[in-house]
Amino acid sequence: GQQLNQSPQSMFIQEGEDVSMNCTSSSIFNTWLWYKQDPGEGPVLLIALYKAGELTSNGRLTAQFGITRKDSFLNISASIPSDVGIYFCAGQLSSNDYKLSFGAGTTVTVRA
Amino acid sequence: DAGVTQSPTHLIKTRGQQVTLRCSPISGHKSVSWYQQVLGQGPQFIFQYYEKEERGRGNFPDRFSARQFPNYSSELNVNALLLGDSALYLCASNRGVRDEQYFGPGTRLTVT
Repeated sequence: GQQLNQSPQSMFIQEGEDVSMNCTSSSIFNTWLWYKQDPGEGPVLLIALYKAGELTSNGRLTAQFGITRKDSFLNISASIPSDVGIYFCAGQLSSNDYKLSFGAGTTVTVRA
Repeated sequence: DAGVTQSPTHLIKTRGQQVTLRCSPISGHKSVSWYQQVLGQGPQFIFQYYEKEERGRGNFPDRFSARQFPNYSSELNVNALLLGDSALYLCASNRGVRDEQYFGPGTRLTVT
């Protein structure tokens, strides 16, 4: 499948901090999505992006579809303990290609 | 409304056996996709079905097959199981072409 490079691989958060993660690809994507997965569960859709340059918010989450269509980032503002989990970016190459290509994920852990 | 449901939740099989996993999409969704998620990685696309027709296939061997029924539920079959088939198998549904995919909780398959 298409290679999506997600960074950082892991991060520690302290309650109240803003955190940021991003996803890049060598291919142009038509759609970018961000999912969160908790242990033992399926990924939960957070934000979907359909246009280059689009900036979309969902509560404390904000994501942007890069202008080159080869990248996307996700910001979490004022993090809380329940933000812990694995965040995945996913891309769809075209409107006729239903397949999602996923990054390897960013693991978010609370800093002791 | 009920989300995507999958059964069984967990399954243990031995090498060489066959397994069938089941998925019911969200009501009104006509498209079902299957993904394999190995521990520590993002989901990998296996199949996509829309209106009972296969629309996409990932880079998986012919031991993997699937079908979609008139009520849009789906089954994933894996024959001649290998140890490397141990993974979380996720089902996702969406309405059609450019709609977001919503995931079920997955079936955890362990091959011994």
